[in-house]
Amino acid sequence: DAKTTQPPSMDCAEGRAANLPCNHSTISGNEYVYWYRQIHSQGPQYIIHGLKNNETNEMASLIITEDRKSSTLILPHATLRDTAVYYCIVTSDDKIIFGKGTRLHILP
Amino acid sequence: EPEVTQTPSHQVTQMGQEVILRCVPISNHLYFYWYRQILGQKVEFLVSFYNNEISEKSEIFDDQFSVERPDGSNFTLKIRSTKLEDSAMYFCASSGTRNIETQYFGPGTRLLVL
Repeated sequence: DAKTTQPPSMDCAEGRAANLPCNHSTISGNEYVYWYRQIHSQGPQYIIHGLKNNETNEMASLIITEDRKSSTLILPHATLRDTAVYYCIVTSDDKIIFGKGTRLHILP
Repeated sequence: EPEVTQTPSHQVTQMGQEVILRCVPISNHLYFYWYRQILGQKVEFLVSFYNNEISEKSEIFDDQFSVERPDGSNFTLKIRSTKLEDSAMYFCASSGTRNIETQYFGPGTRLLVL
C-alpha cells in the first residue's frame, strides 16, 4: 500500500496557486518524495521530487517540512490544463507504488 | 522530445485468448516497466525488466503474464489466457536509470476482455 495520505479532491481557481498537501509520516531517511500527475486517461507524468530541501522546476515547487513528515506541491499559476489526479509517492525503489492521489479541478 | 509509444491503443479480445501489448521505449533507456490501471482504480505496478530479465514483479504478475524484449527495441507484455478481470489500461514505462524521476510513461493500451 501507498505510504502517503492525500485529500481525495481539491478545487482551485484558474490563475491562482494550487497547493496540494501530502502526509508521509512514516518516511525513511533514504526515501525521496516524488510527485506525478495523470491527466485523464493518459500515462502518469513526472513533476518534481525532493529529499529534504525545497525544490523548484519549470512545472512546480515542492515544499518539504523539516521533519519530512509532510510536503506540499505548489502549482504557481494553475491553468485548466492542470486538471488531473496528482500522486505523492514516497520511495527509495524504482517501482512506483501509486495511491489514490488528489483529483485537482481547476475552475475557470 | 523523445517519448514512449504503445500499440495498439485499444484492443478487444475474447476471454481465454492470448494478447500481446507492444511498447517502444525511449531509445537509450535500459529499464522497462509495465503498470496497469483498472477503470476507476489506482495505477498498479506489474513488472520491471533490466538486462533482459525480470528485476521485480508484483503479485498480479502471475504465470499468465510474460514480458520480453524480442528485438532490442520493442518491449512486450503477453497475457496467455485473458480473463475478464484483465480488462484495464496497460501502461509501459522506460527509464535511463533506476531513478524514478527518469521514468517516462507511454499513453497506454486499453484492453477489454469480453
